[in-house]
Amino acid sequence: KAGVTQTPRYLIKTRGQQVTLSCSPISGHRSVSWYQQTPGQGLQFLFEYFSETQRNKGNFPGRFSGRQFSNSRSEMNVSTLELGDSALYLCASSLNQGAKNIQYFGAGTRLSVL
Amino acid sequence: KNQVEQSPQSLIILEGKNCTLQCNYTVSPFSNLRWYKQDTGRGPVSLTIMTFSENTKSNGRYTATLDADTKQSSLHITASQLSDSASYICVVPTGANNLFFGTGTRLTVIP
Repeated sequence: KAGVTQTPRYLIKTRGQQVTLSCSPISGHRSVSWYQQTPGQGLQFLFEYFSETQRNKGNFPGRFSGRQFSNSRSEMNVSTLELGDSALYLCASSLNQGAKNIQYFGAGTRLSVL
Repeated sequence: KNQVEQSPQSLIILEGKNCTLQCNYTVSPFSNLRWYKQDTGRGPVSLTIMTFSENTKSNGRYTATLDADTKQSSLHITASQLSDSASYICVVPTGANNLFFGTGTRLTVIP
């Protein structure tokens, strides 16, 4: 069974641009969560999608948005990039919605904002 | 306030030696506690998951303990190998939708 796949692995953008990251969950998994990881802050929850609906949201500005498609694949978009958005963005999938379900993480997308 | 704290922040040990990483949590209500290993440039991988009733759980050379009374967990690594060099993250879920992450312990195993 293939794991969680995130594309691209690396991305370099400049301030003010926007970016879209992609996540393909494990086959059969219906929930996809997104996290931002920085050296100082550790892992921070962005949002969770289940059945194409955002079910839970972390404390991030509206520049961060996402969506989920009918095949459970998910995309995350960041508009008007800032230097502080440089981070590793991780996607995790689980069978069902909610924190009690075990999450399986992808390798992440390393975003650098110049 | 729900919080997960890990110590030490970083640790350097010689190959073959044992080490213990600590996790203290104030998350309530408690359902389970998870330890993840994250290699540099990779996503976290689950090592163990412990529920309220479990005191000890092993996964090869990794042994996790849980004291639900003192709200402490430890991850003991036996006979360390170079491949154990990674960050170890403690995660505690609560309620329906919230996951609380520790900031991790960065372990470096040197030959």
